[in-house]
Amino acid sequence: DAGVTQSPTHLIKTRGQQVTLRCSPKSGHDTVSWYQQALGQGPQFIFQYYEEEERQRGNFPDRFSGHQFPNYSSELNVNALLLGDSALYLCASSYPHGGVNYEQYFGPGTRLTVT
Amino acid sequence: AQKITQTQPGMFVQEKEAVTLDCTYDTSDQSYGLFWYKQPSSGEMIFLIYQGSYDEQNATEGRYSLNFQKARKSANLVISASQLGDSAMYFCAMWGTYKYIFGTGTRLKVLA
Repeated sequence: DAGVTQSPTHLIKTRGQQVTLRCSPKSGHDTVSWYQQALGQGPQFIFQYYEEEERQRGNFPDRFSGHQFPNYSSELNVNALLLGDSALYLCASSYPHGGVNYEQYFGPGTRLTVT
Repeated sequence: AQKITQTQPGMFVQEKEAVTLDCTYDTSDQSYGLFWYKQPSSGEMIFLIYQGSYDEQNATEGRYSLNFQKARKSANLVISASQLGDSAMYFCAMWGTYKYIFGTGTRLKVLA
């Protein structure tokens, strides 16, 4: 059973460009969350998708947008890249039913470097 | 507002000894979940243990146990019989209102 997969593994972009990161959830999971983890910091919640809708959003500007497809895979788009967007971007998927027992399975992440 | 605080940036422990990683939290939610994750240098977050706010007994998963003190709002992770492979970053996290809040992490180094 494949876990959460993310692509690409690494990415180098120039300031002002746009980037799209991709995530495939673990089999049977229909909820996908995205996180930004700067070097030496804990992950920061960007947003969560469920049933192709953004269900919750963290404190990130509109430059960060996402999408969830009918097969539950998801994309994270970042426009007008800033140097401060350089980070590890983590995708996590979770069980179909919400509630407190909400263990998330994380992917290996995409390392984005903005120059 | 929800908040997770990990006050130990780094910890050392001798192989085969036990170690406690501290975590305190703040939330106004009555129902919430507390988690610990391990992040090796490879970057992937690995789930270790979960504690529900209504669980009366402390959670245990193999060598990991969670010391949950609800009145103090603390959820410390105890690793027994430390192994060299336990060297990693450890994050405490809380689930509430459809999102996770993570702490800043504790870097654990196990010494041979």
